[in-house]
Amino acid sequence: SQQGEEDPQALGIQEGENATMNCSYKTSINNLQWYRQNSGRGLVHLILIRSNEREKHSGRLRVTLDTSKKSSSLLITASRAADTASYFCATGGEGNTPLVFGKGTRLSVIA
Amino acid sequence: ETGVTQTPRHLVMGMTNKKSLKCEQHLGHNAMYWYKQSAKKPLELMFVYNFKEQTENNSVPSRFSPECPNSSHLFLHLHTLQPEDSALYLCASSPGTSGENEQFFGPGTRLTVL
Repeated sequence: SQQGEEDPQALGIQEGENATMNCSYKTSINNLQWYRQNSGRGLVHLILIRSNEREKHSGRLRVTLDTSKKSSSLLITASRAADTASYFCATGGEGNTPLVFGKGTRLSVIA
Repeated sequence: ETGVTQTPRHLVMGMTNKKSLKCEQHLGHNAMYWYKQSAKKPLELMFVYNFKEQTENNSVPSRFSPECPNSSHLFLHLHTLQPEDSALYLCASSPGTSGENEQFFGPGTRLTVL
């Protein structure tokens, strides 16, 4: 399975600190995406990184991808209480295979 | 607002009831998905539709019956459910079924089976 596995399962930090979440997967991918989910709501797409890219930025988000290690990390800088949510990685394979989501990391940012 | 709506937002039903979940997308996408999200489990893909045709059915029990009358609407018909079917049911859409596509999710229906 190419399912992503996030690490850690849960993370608690103080407002203003940086939060780093990791995702590992098992098979080759076309791209890797990160999503955010507020409690009891739908997922919201954050960022997509392609297999030939190593790093991507979007606002306070920085995503890295290491295909040799089959891993990705999501860094949220200067975290805010509003960043409290679950974060999921999803791997996209070749062709028409749908995205496969990991179990997620639950981030709590304390004001 | 993601452009994907789901109704109802909350549903409580008995094991002998029949109910339906509705999803509608206003994004002009061709692919629509049903996911099940249970506590402490990964997001489970249930069904995929592309241009109204079902392209994936991930061994979902027959008590869940999807219907896609057009590319904008997706239903999940429920009958004789079990308590373990209680979960958040999420609908999503994307331009196509390729894993390159970003998926847009609805807010979900919180289902409780008594």
